[in-house]
Amino acid sequence: GAGVSQSPSNKVTEKGKDVELRCDPISGHTALYWYRQRLGQGLEFLIYFQGNSAPDKSGLPSDRFSAERTGESVSTLTIQRTQQEDSAVYLCASSQGLAGGYADTQYFGPGTRLTVL
Amino acid sequence: AQSVSQHNHHVILSEAASLELGCNYSYGGTVNLFWYVQYPGQHLQLLLKYFSGDPLVKGIKGFEAEFIKSKFSFNLRKPSVQWSDTAEYFCAVSRAVNYGGATNKLIFGTGTLLAVQP
Repeated sequence: GAGVSQSPSNKVTEKGKDVELRCDPISGHTALYWYRQRLGQGLEFLIYFQGNSAPDKSGLPSDRFSAERTGESVSTLTIQRTQQEDSAVYLCASSQGLAGGYADTQYFGPGTRLTVL
Repeated sequence: AQSVSQHNHHVILSEAASLELGCNYSYGGTVNLFWYVQYPGQHLQLLLKYFSGDPLVKGIKGFEAEFIKSKFSFNLRKPSVQWSDTAEYFCAVSRAVNYGGATNKLIFGTGTLLAVQP
C-alpha cells in the first residue's frame, strides 16, 4: 500500500517568512509524529498526534512552531517567522497507534528539506 | 531523560567484512528498540525491532541485533557486508508504555555512516 507522503520535498524560503509542511500518513494509522533532522545530528522529536489531538508537544522548539491534524489524516506543520536555525529535514512518521503504544512501529515519509536563507 | 549513543560515526569496510555497530541507551524502564537505515537518496526504513521475547532479533537483508539488558545495549551486526549496505544507520528507542494516549516518540542516536568498498 501507499506509504507516508510529504510535501513539498524541498522548500527554500527567506528568513522571516512562514512555511507550511504537509504530511499524509498511511491510511488507517491513528498515530502521527513529526521529527526534525539538522545537519550532522540525529532525528529529534517535535510533536505526536493520536487522532486529531496532540498529547505530546514537548519537542516543539519555540512558539513559532505549530502543528495540526484534521480528519485523523493529514497533518500540517507550520513554522512562522522562519530563522536560519530552522533549516533541517522535517520528517513525518505514522503508526497504527496500538493500544498503549505497545509493539507500535513508526513508518517514515521521505521528508521535507527546508532551507532558510 | 532518555538518550541513545552510537559510538561509531563513520565506518568504512571492505565487502565481506563483518559489521558491528554499537548502540547504548539510557533509560531505566522497559523499552522498545529499533534500527532504521537510510540508503542514499531514500527515506528511513525499518531494519529490525525488538519489543520483547528473544533478545536476538533478525531483520531484513541479513542484519541482526542483540538486546543486552544489563548493558543497555542493542548492537547491530551483519556477518558479511555488501556494497549495497552503504547507508546511514540509526538506533532508536521508545518507552514501552501500556496506557492509552502515551507518546511512543522515538529517541534517536546521531547515526552511523557506513561505507562499504567493493
